[in-house]
Amino acid sequence: EVQLVESGGGLVQPGGSLRLSCAASGFTFSDSWMTWVRQAPGKGLEWVANIKKDGNEKYYVDSVRGRFTISRDNAKNSLYLQMNSLRVDDTAVYYCADGFLSINWGQGTLVTVSS
Amino acid sequence: DIVMTQSPDSLAVSLGERATINCKSSQSVLSSSDNKNYLAWYQQKPGQSPKLLMYWASTRESGVPDRFSGSGSGTDFTLTISSLQADDVAVYYCHHFHSVPLTFGGGTKVEIK
Repeated sequence: EVQLVESGGGLVQPGGSLRLSCAASGFTFSDSWMTWVRQAPGKGLEWVANIKKDGNEKYYVDSVRGRFTISRDNAKNSLYLQMNSLRVDDTAVYYCADGFLSINWGQGTLVTVSS
Repeated sequence: DIVMTQSPDSLAVSLGERATINCKSSQSVLSSSDNKNYLAWYQQKPGQSPKLLMYWASTRESGVPDRFSGSGSGTDFTLTISSLQADDVAVYYCHHFHSVPLTFGGGTKVEIK
């Protein structure tokens, strides 16, 4: 059974940083693209970034490019999202998912950017 | 960027009746290389993570009841619930994975009338 468990969310001030993690199990992590998707409170889904199996290709939505960095550690079956220069409108639940198409999703971790 | 537009924003359907959700993409999501529509549908129940229902526009994910069906090609797609059950109350999203940036539709909330 695929399991994805996000962690690292919390309350941060505007301009601050957070690093999200996603622990994966139940599938061959190193064979899978991985994706981050977010959902602002009461709003719809927004694709944030994805990363190729070997980490050599990374793509971002325009609103986070240059501020967020997606990475992975295939030896640890883990996905990361380093978020810098956080803004109030980055407040959301952040989900990790497996695949270029998000197939299985974690339960999400809430990031709140507020002063 | 490919913009995904869903309609309606919400709908209320009686139990056992049909529910139809539409999704239109601003550009074709049909790939000429493999003749597949890079279009998926998700269901998100209150307080839960999204769940993949359909991909390639009309292929049901494993375990999804056959009352759910997807159709369409190119830029126009439909998700149909043939006989609405109480368990189907949720927000439904279409999603293209044709090219980056990937995008989602705004969602359609399905309720019981």
